Amino acid sequence: AQSVTQPDIHITVSEGASLELRCNYSYGATPYLFWYVQSPGQGLQLLLKYFSGDTLVQGIKGFEAEFKRSQSSFNLRKPSVHWSDAAEYFCAVGAGGYQKVTFGIGTKLQVIP
Amino acid sequence: DTEVTQTPKHLVMGMTNKKSLKCEQHMGHRAMYWYKQKAKKPPELMFVYSYEKLSINESVPSRFSPECPNSSLLNLHLHALQPEDSALYLCASSPNDSGYNSPLHFGNGTRLTVT
Repeated sequence: AQSVTQPDIHITVSEGASLELRCNYSYGATPYLFWYVQSPGQGLQLLLKYFSGDTLVQGIKGFEAEFKRSQSSFNLRKPSVHWSDAAEYFCAVGAGGYQKVTFGIGTKLQVIP
Repeated sequence: DTEVTQTPKHLVMGMTNKKSLKCEQHMGHRAMYWYKQKAKKPPELMFVYSYEKLSINESVPSRFSPECPNSSLLNLHLHALQPEDSALYLCASSPNDSGYNSPLHFGNGTRLTVT
């Protein structure tokens, strides 16, 4: 079975600073990897996904993520954080077949002026 | 604006009540999902419908009963719930169930409180 580890439960960054959210996965085959963002009381919005090909993927809102098979990682980055980026970020891994997506515990991002 | 619509947004029900959560999508997606999310926790998969047939039930108690009347609609019927069932219930859809290029599109959820 697949699993996801997000080691940072809570991160605080200053507006305009760079951001990196860590994600490690465990899965025996080539994984489908996702990052989702959730604002309070809302559903989850897909930021980006990786299935195959180029290991650096671009997403919405200026986010990118890099797949590193050797490290079993899929870290999310943004060069300059905006106050509106404050939210909960979930890394997720999907197995093949019936799209059994497993979510990490989430990282809550706080942005300070 | 989300393309997956869930109603109601909030629901308060007693333990003896029967209620239903509704989910609708018009993106032509053929797989639909129910997730449960407790506070400060990640979403947990409950059910998956693929081409209007139940394909996954993650050992959910029978007091939760899903229904997929057609490819655009997904219901979750609730009966005799417990206070610990209070959570945000998220509906999601995806183009198909293969996983490839088939990420989940989530609704904004129904905040359920069981009293």
